[in-house]
Amino acid sequence: DAKTTQPPSMDCAEGRAANLPCNHSTISGNEYVYWYRQIHSQGPQYIIHGLKNNETNEMASLIITEDRKSSTLILPHATLRDTAVYYCIVRSSKAAGNKLTFGGGTRVLVKP
Amino acid sequence: NAGVTQTPKFQVLKTGQSMTLQCAQDMNHEYMSWYRQDPGMGLRLIHYSVGAGITDQGEVPNGYNVSRSTTEDFPLRLLSAAPSQTSVYFCASSYSVSGELFFGEGSRLTVL
Repeated sequence: DAKTTQPPSMDCAEGRAANLPCNHSTISGNEYVYWYRQIHSQGPQYIIHGLKNNETNEMASLIITEDRKSSTLILPHATLRDTAVYYCIVRSSKAAGNKLTFGGGTRVLVKP
Repeated sequence: NAGVTQTPKFQVLKTGQSMTLQCAQDMNHEYMSWYRQDPGMGLRLIHYSVGAGITDQGEVPNGYNVSRSTTEDFPLRLLSAAPSQTSVYFCASSYSVSGELFFGEGSRLTVL
């Protein structure tokens, strides 16, 4: 699976959009981009994933650049409960099992 | 529908003791896996299973055994606990190989 690079931390104002970048310059054609988050010490929670098209669900939007070398997770209206570590993960659709390779993630602090 | 259930939530062991962390899911998921998370780090894959009777090693398998006799259960055995195995352990499951991973709440293990 391709490696990802994320900023270690970022702050965001409550009610504003939070834009979380992820670099995956070595991504290959059959690899998806997944986003998970981990609130405090809880188990990670799935947010969204995509291959090449932009995706949106009730939690967030995922914007993938045309060359697929980077992506941005957008939390449209951040709340205090969105404070968490956010993980960007690249994973092949052909990988065996449900393995995910977690990096360091981005620690997001939403401030009032 | 309880999702992924892990027991125990907390455990303290002495070096050399053995124990089993239990994981059960009621979503009829074929894919299950075990991760460990050390302080300030991302999750690392220990073992995974693509179905009953089939298991394979992940990134950090040494010192751990798994078995998958039923679709629902995927226990993780520590054969002879060492202080280096002090960690938080997460079990996860998914319906498909590329689908959303559902995580349990974690089991905190301390080895003295």
